[in-house]
Amino acid sequence: SQQGEEDPQALSIQEGENATMNCSYKTSINNLQWYRQNSGRGLVHLILIRSNEREKHSGRLRVTLDTSKKSSSLLITASRAADTASYFCATDAGYKLSFGAGTTVTVRA
Amino acid sequence: NAGVTQTPKFQVLKTGQSMTLQCAQDMNHEYMSWYRQDPGMGLRLIHYSVGAGITDQGEVPNGYNVSRSTTEDFPLRLLSAAPSQTSVYFCASKERGSSYNEQFFGPGTRLTVL
Repeated sequence: SQQGEEDPQALSIQEGENATMNCSYKTSINNLQWYRQNSGRGLVHLILIRSNEREKHSGRLRVTLDTSKKSSSLLITASRAADTASYFCATDAGYKLSFGAGTTVTVRA
Repeated sequence: NAGVTQTPKFQVLKTGQSMTLQCAQDMNHEYMSWYRQDPGMGLRLIHYSVGAGITDQGEVPNGYNVSRSTTEDFPLRLLSAAPSQTSVYFCASKERGSSYNEQFFGPGTRLTVL
């Protein structure tokens, strides 16, 4: 069964705006990861946040983790057309990654 | 480094046929895995391996076999293809060890079973 669930399923924003997507999960985790998938391509790792961390930054990405609520959020600031993609959260409980269904982000020029 | 490579990119099979999806990595990663991705769903783990000679089942293993004779290769075999196996298949690898959890994905194989 899918561990993580993203919200919203789809998001359309104007270039330069921020995009926020959320992920909820069900069981205890070692860490939570976010991946990006461009249309027709494989997944690319964006950022990992460990269970004892609350916030992490990488370039224009900001990830938060609330283990008490079993939720995470990914913020992309100052979006660009190249950010158009699907974004997946994945919970890591050892060797297995469990993915959500993803959020499809469209950045309009 | 080529990273994770998968062949073929596309494949069409008839129901009942068998085939092998190839996956190779040149990063000396001990951990490799196979996922399938269906429309509107995330990736689901089929099988994984923590090293040569060691494999285990994931979430959706039925109808698939794997083996791991070398560190580099992790082929996925469909024994008797069914329309329900129409999907995009991704292979991934990562370093073993708790500090390195990033998985590297191949470009995928799009499989259609008629």
